[in-house]
Amino acid sequence: GAVVSQHPSRVICKSGTSVKIECRSLDFQATTMFWYRQFPKKSLMLMATSNEGSKATYEQGVEKDKFLINHASLTLSTLTVTSAHPEDSSFYICSAGTGPNTEAFFGQGTRLTVV
Amino acid sequence: AQKVTQAQTEISVVEKEDVTLDCVYETRDTTYYLFWYKQPPSGELVFLIRRNSFDEQNEISGRYSWNFQKSTSSFNFTITASQVVDSAVYFCALSEYGTNAGKSTFGDGTTLTVKP
Repeated sequence: GAVVSQHPSRVICKSGTSVKIECRSLDFQATTMFWYRQFPKKSLMLMATSNEGSKATYEQGVEKDKFLINHASLTLSTLTVTSAHPEDSSFYICSAGTGPNTEAFFGQGTRLTVV
Repeated sequence: AQKVTQAQTEISVVEKEDVTLDCVYETRDTTYYLFWYKQPPSGELVFLIRRNSFDEQNEISGRYSWNFQKSTSSFNFTITASQVVDSAVYFCALSEYGTNAGKSTFGDGTTLTVKP
């Protein structure tokens, strides 16, 4: 089956620094990648949709300048949390798909803790 | 808009009991995917099952079984003879298939506690 690798699985960073999370499709080309965020004891909410070579489409309420998404190749998308604050601490998970009328596959998720 | 409802916020059972987790969804799409995921205390999302909207066959995998009923827009998950290791948060999700293929809407999750 299709494999999506997310790295790192856990990261702790200091307040004010930036942290990058990678999402890679290992055995297929992902034209579309999705980024989700899970607040503690809450469900997963879609943050943004990124298509390879295009700017990401952010969901309402998600700060574009805060959560920078890059999808520069068909196998890699990155989410950079800029100037992280403790309230950015969360579980972030990506999924990757191959375009219309296909399904997407989830990565393992990244637990971000900002101290 | 897609919507997934998991009405049961928390369920607590004693080991060896059977338990059913409910999932009801709303969509205007005719083709879509439904998923169940398990999130143990360690936090990662563990894939359990994927079901295409055209495939209404029920499925059994070991102690797990799924009942997909398109007529009632439900995709319920039953654990038979529950075990302590089944304790986790379980998410039901609906994934689009068309232009936004892969875009998923999650339910709020059901926290299952299995007591010894």
